[in-house]
Amino acid sequence: KAGVTQTPRYLIKTRGQQVTLSCSPISGHRSVSWYQQTPGQGLQFLFEYFSETQRNKGNFPGRFSGRQFSNSRSEMNVSTLELGDSALYLCASSLGKAQETQYFGPGTRLLVL
Amino acid sequence: QQQVKQSPQSLIVQKGGISIINCAYENTAFDYFPWYQQFPGKGPALLIAIRPDVSEKKEGRFTISFNKSAKQFSLHIMDSQPGDSATYFCAASKKGGSEKLVFGKGTKLTVNP
Repeated sequence: KAGVTQTPRYLIKTRGQQVTLSCSPISGHRSVSWYQQTPGQGLQFLFEYFSETQRNKGNFPGRFSGRQFSNSRSEMNVSTLELGDSALYLCASSLGKAQETQYFGPGTRLLVL
Repeated sequence: QQQVKQSPQSLIVQKGGISIINCAYENTAFDYFPWYQQFPGKGPALLIAIRPDVSEKKEGRFTISFNKSAKQFSLHIMDSQPGDSATYFCAASKKGGSEKLVFGKGTKLTVNP
């Protein structure tokens, strides 16, 4: 089975721009979660989608949004980028039955200049 | 509020030694405690997980010890190998239909040959 894939792998943007990141989960997985990883804050939960519905949301501003498509692929969008948004954005997929093993992708490294 | 506290931040052990990483949690609603291993340039990968109904779980050289009354759990890596050099994250989640994981801030383990 192919693993979780994320595109693009690297991205450079400037302040004020917006960005869209994509995540393709493992085939058959219906849950996709997004995390932000930074050296200072570690891994922080952004949101989770299950069957196209947002099931949970972390403590991030409304500039961070996401969606999930009928094929379980997910996108996250960050609008009006700030320098502090520079991070590794990870998505994880699972069957979605709660507390199942989550499989992480390699992440998208976002640098905001 | 940091819900899962992890220590130490970094750890250096000699090949063949025992690596011990500790975590403490605050929320008694947590009932699933996984450990993830992350190599540079990769996403985290599940190593081993435990639920509060057992006090210890062993998989190969990796053991989780769990102390429910103290709200603490730890990862022990026996016979540590240079290939174990990575960053380790403890995490916790609670029942409720969401896959949200709350992570500790990570421990960078270096195993010297």
